[in-house]
Amino acid sequence: DGGITQSPKYLFRKEGQNVTLSCEQNLNHDAMYWYRQDPGQGLRLIYYSQIVNDFQKGDIAEGYSVSREKKESFPLTVTSAQKNPTAFYLCASSPDYYNEQFFGPGTRLTVL
Amino acid sequence: AQTVTQSQPEMSVQEAETVTLSCTYDTSESDYYLFWYKQPPSRQMILVIRQEAYKQQNATENRFSVNFQKAAKSFSLKISDSQLGDAAMYFCAYEANSKLTFGKGITLSVRP
Repeated sequence: DGGITQSPKYLFRKEGQNVTLSCEQNLNHDAMYWYRQDPGQGLRLIYYSQIVNDFQKGDIAEGYSVSREKKESFPLTVTSAQKNPTAFYLCASSPDYYNEQFFGPGTRLTVL
Repeated sequence: AQTVTQSQPEMSVQEAETVTLSCTYDTSESDYYLFWYKQPPSRQMILVIRQEAYKQQNATENRFSVNFQKAAKSFSLKISDSQLGDAAMYFCAYEANSKLTFGKGITLSVRP
């Protein structure tokens, strides 16, 4: 089955620790995206990548980092510099700029 | 910067009736795309319908249709013959220059 996988579904971390969220797609899509969703805020763009080894900051990139070493993978690291990391994180991919984005099931991150 | 506004946080509809969800956006771009996404309790984002700004004809997908008013920058979603499975959060989204901007969403409940 083609699709986007995110792991883990639930993630707990202690304050001050870095944590990496996984996102993998087998749709052969060029573009990949990371969003954060908070209650009442909708989805906000963290980072996006249009091709391998290239990525751009979104609207709320501070405290996050990404890499795009393979077309299929776009991991997101939430660093200790992110002041309020507890949120629901969604990964998406798209075959080109103006097609719809396909979303993964999301990861719920809770900082204890 | 582009903004997407969904002014109604919640709506309710009787099963089998019709409901319209409102969305306005602000942009200086002439070439863009508009989307409605559905997020059920599972939190999986599902594309409902898309509209290319250069097309004057309103998009339709089965029971879902849009009223796209480009000059007014309005993009409402009409759901006909509402079903219990339509209960979810609905997000209006705007895409230009490879970036997707979401509204804050509206929670739709369906009364049996």
